[in-house]
Amino acid sequence: LAKTTQPISMDSYEGQEVNITCSHNNIATNDYITWYQQFPSQGPRFIIQGYKTKVTNEVASLFIPADRKSSTLSLPRVSLSDTAVYYCLVDDIGNAGNNRKLIWGLGTSLAVNP
Amino acid sequence: DGGITQSPKYLFRKEGQNVTLSCEQNLNHDAMYWYRQDPGQGLRLIYYSQIVNDFQKGDIAEGYSVSREKKESFPLTVTSAQKNPTAFYLCASSIRAGGLYEQYFGPGTRLTVT
Repeated sequence: LAKTTQPISMDSYEGQEVNITCSHNNIATNDYITWYQQFPSQGPRFIIQGYKTKVTNEVASLFIPADRKSSTLSLPRVSLSDTAVYYCLVDDIGNAGNNRKLIWGLGTSLAVNP
Repeated sequence: DGGITQSPKYLFRKEGQNVTLSCEQNLNHDAMYWYRQDPGQGLRLIYYSQIVNDFQKGDIAEGYSVSREKKESFPLTVTSAQKNPTAFYLCASSIRAGGLYEQYFGPGTRLTVT
């Protein structure tokens, strides 16, 4: 059974770069990797999505090695407001049928300290 | 003002009662999802629907039921058969498939059953 594994928690300081890695050894050819951010008592919010190599947007970068068995979310220069839980999702997003696969990690609780 | 809404934010029920959680979206998305989140846990998929009048069980569908009579609406009923219904329930929507996409989440409903 496919599974995604990520660290339970991480600590950092303001201004540092934070890298959170997700392991997904059984990822399939059609699967994409997506990362979400969640604050307490709110719905998750999309951060970034990728299939392979590197993707960058205005808030984060996503690094995916050639074998795609892991992915690393990189948050540059974190601030106190980045304290949240970060989830990795493996998803066959091209599947329009009735056997969708949505494999969520258990989340990484990031604490950014002053 | 496009988005996804869930109501109510907090819901209290007595054990043995069925309760229906509302989820509405005006994003013109075909796909909708219901998740359950327990304290310190990740997201677990209850049901999803790729298109109107069709829906599929997720990983933990027992004790829940859904309907998808309209594109905009995907209500979730927590039945008395659900053994541990107290949780934070999240609804999401997305385009059906293909390309890069994200799930848009509602603010969640916190259900307490005593």
